[in-house]
Amino acid sequence: EPEVTQTPSHQVTQMGQEVILRCVPISNHLYFYWYRQILGQKVEFLVSFYNNEISEKSEIFDDQFSVERPDGSNFTLKIRSTKLEDSAMYFCASIRGRTPEEKLFFGSGTQLSVL
Amino acid sequence: AQSVAQPEDQVNVAEGNPLTVKCTYSVSGNPYLFWYVQYPNRGLQFLLKYITGDNLVKGSYGFEAEFNKSQTSFHLKKPSALVSDSALYFCAVRPARQGGKLIFGQGTELSVKP
Repeated sequence: EPEVTQTPSHQVTQMGQEVILRCVPISNHLYFYWYRQILGQKVEFLVSFYNNEISEKSEIFDDQFSVERPDGSNFTLKIRSTKLEDSAMYFCASIRGRTPEEKLFFGSGTQLSVL
Repeated sequence: AQSVAQPEDQVNVAEGNPLTVKCTYSVSGNPYLFWYVQYPNRGLQFLLKYITGDNLVKGSYGFEAEFNKSQTSFHLKKPSALVSDSALYFCAVRPARQGGKLIFGQGTELSVKP
């Protein structure tokens, strides 16, 4: 089965530093997402991206966050100035289309630890 | 507000016994409902979905789920649990026409003991 690939699997950073989380969605998929899961809490939607622009974002996704698809294959999430509360597992996901039958594929996640 | 609830943080089952992981939802319109499983150090893997039609849907690894509109529930079931089924299970709802945006429950840790 095709896979969404995320790198790195673990990222440790100091508070206030910028981090970039990387994802390679499945090649024929058109819609891309970031979710996060704080330890012991729900998986939460952050942002959706289609046609090189954000189509929807949650209240979590403030101006410290940005997403980009710089080269047609990678999909990145940047956190400009990390806070302790940004520590979480971040999942990238992609889907081919918006019909109900389509399945959302998730990557294995990047565990971000902000110290 | 749209939401999903998994009332049990943990479910413990003996191998070979049937298992049920509960999920209830609140969403406007017709819901698309999903179950995902997360094994340690792995991403979320799709198990099954309900879109329309038969209320009993069958998915991967012998799991099935029953959609009950009157009770707004979508419980995950398996007739005979395996130790390898031990994992974290998430119920999710996709509001109609919102592509891949999912609203997740808080997850239920399933532990199957030999």
